[in-house]
Amino acid sequence: GENVEQHPSTLSVQEGDSAVIKCTYSDSASNYFPWYKQELGKGPQLIIDIRSNVGEKKDQRIAVTLNKTAKHFSLHITETQPEDSAVYFCAATDSWGKLQFGAGTQVVVTP
Amino acid sequence: DVKVTQSSRYLVKRTGEKVFLECVQDMDHENMFWYRQDPGLGLRLIYFSYDVKMKEKGDIPEGYSVSREKKERFSLILESASTNQTSMYLCASRDELPGYEQYFGPGTRLTVT
Repeated sequence: GENVEQHPSTLSVQEGDSAVIKCTYSDSASNYFPWYKQELGKGPQLIIDIRSNVGEKKDQRIAVTLNKTAKHFSLHITETQPEDSAVYFCAATDSWGKLQFGAGTQVVVTP
Repeated sequence: DVKVTQSSRYLVKRTGEKVFLECVQDMDHENMFWYRQDPGLGLRLIYFSYDVKMKEKGDIPEGYSVSREKKERFSLILESASTNQTSMYLCASRDELPGYEQYFGPGTRLTVT
């Protein structure tokens, strides 16, 4: 089945710097890769997603890149702000269309 | 506005009790999911349902069952709660096809003593 690995587990950045979170997946049939942000006391919320026919997608300060050959995808946050502090999860669809999640990255943005 | 609600934010139960966690969505979504979230393990799928009265096991179904009698409601049942079921439980719903956004509820923090 699908296995998703996510690194790093914690990430501390200075406000204004960039943050990068990387994920790898094992199932070459995976075709949908969402990223979720979970703030304290809340459920995860989708922030950006990418499909396998696209190599890169950007939404304001957030971008995701996908390398299907290498089976890895990354989340890039530029000009980080304190409100970016949260836990971020990557995920990939398995062959049944269900999402397999990474272990999560705790991002801390320090002023 | 899209909404997934869960019956309790915090719950404390004793070992051996039968526990019901309720989830309701107002988006007329076909698919509903129950996950548990543990530090360092991410979100792991317990059960999902792709239609009323239909259910499928996820990755960690042992010790759990589910019920979906109405489209908007998906219940997770711990038949006999154990301490290793202490966790955060998240419900989610999604429109029919994979590749559509999953909407999550706020979670239920369950403690079994």
